[in-house]
Amino acid sequence: SQTIHQWPATLVQPVGSPLSLECTVEGTSNPNLYWYRQAAGRGLQLLFYSVGIGQISSEVPQNLSASRPQDRQFILSSKKLLLSDSGFYLCAWSEQPGDEQFFGPGTRLTVL
Amino acid sequence: AQKVTQAQTEISVVEKEDVTLDCVYETRDTTYYLFWYKQPPSGELVFLIRRNSFDEQNEISGRYSWNFQKSTSSFNFTITASQVVDSAVYFCALSEAGSGYSTLTFGKGTMLLVSP
Repeated sequence: SQTIHQWPATLVQPVGSPLSLECTVEGTSNPNLYWYRQAAGRGLQLLFYSVGIGQISSEVPQNLSASRPQDRQFILSSKKLLLSDSGFYLCAWSEQPGDEQFFGPGTRLTVL
Repeated sequence: AQKVTQAQTEISVVEKEDVTLDCVYETRDTTYYLFWYKQPPSGELVFLIRRNSFDEQNEISGRYSWNFQKSTSSFNFTITASQVVDSAVYFCALSEAGSGYSTLTFGKGTMLLVSP
């Protein structure tokens, strides 16, 4: 069966520090991968999605970036965090576009 | 324009009551998918259902049922005989053919509180 992992689970970082969040999927090949952010107020915002290695589409311009160095690995990064980057970051995968997406446990990021 | 509207921000019921969560969507595509997800306090989103735009049959899964009405662009979710474990935030979402189904647009969610 497929599983999706995210780490770290929680993170507290100072403003201006770098960020690296990792997501890995097991049990499937060539998944579509997604990064979402859920700020206070509950709405989920799609940040990036990837249909294959090295292929990244950005939905929202910001100081975040994403990379997919391996088939089942998706990384969210920032060179300098802002206060507004605080939130709950969720990684998800699907077999094909339009299929149901399965979400990881999330990373709760607090920028101070 | 908001594509998925969940007008109910928060609903409180007592255990064993039936509750309906509303979802209204907006799209110009004739082909699309609709979804419902549950987010318990732990934070992880749990997939509940996916519905194709060409399939308007209502669906029932245990205490859960979904009513898809293309005429009113609605995809409502009913929980029968609610339980405390149903307490969570519920999200409705839309994926459109026009975007290659690459993006999932979520509503703002409805927080359901079920008290004993």
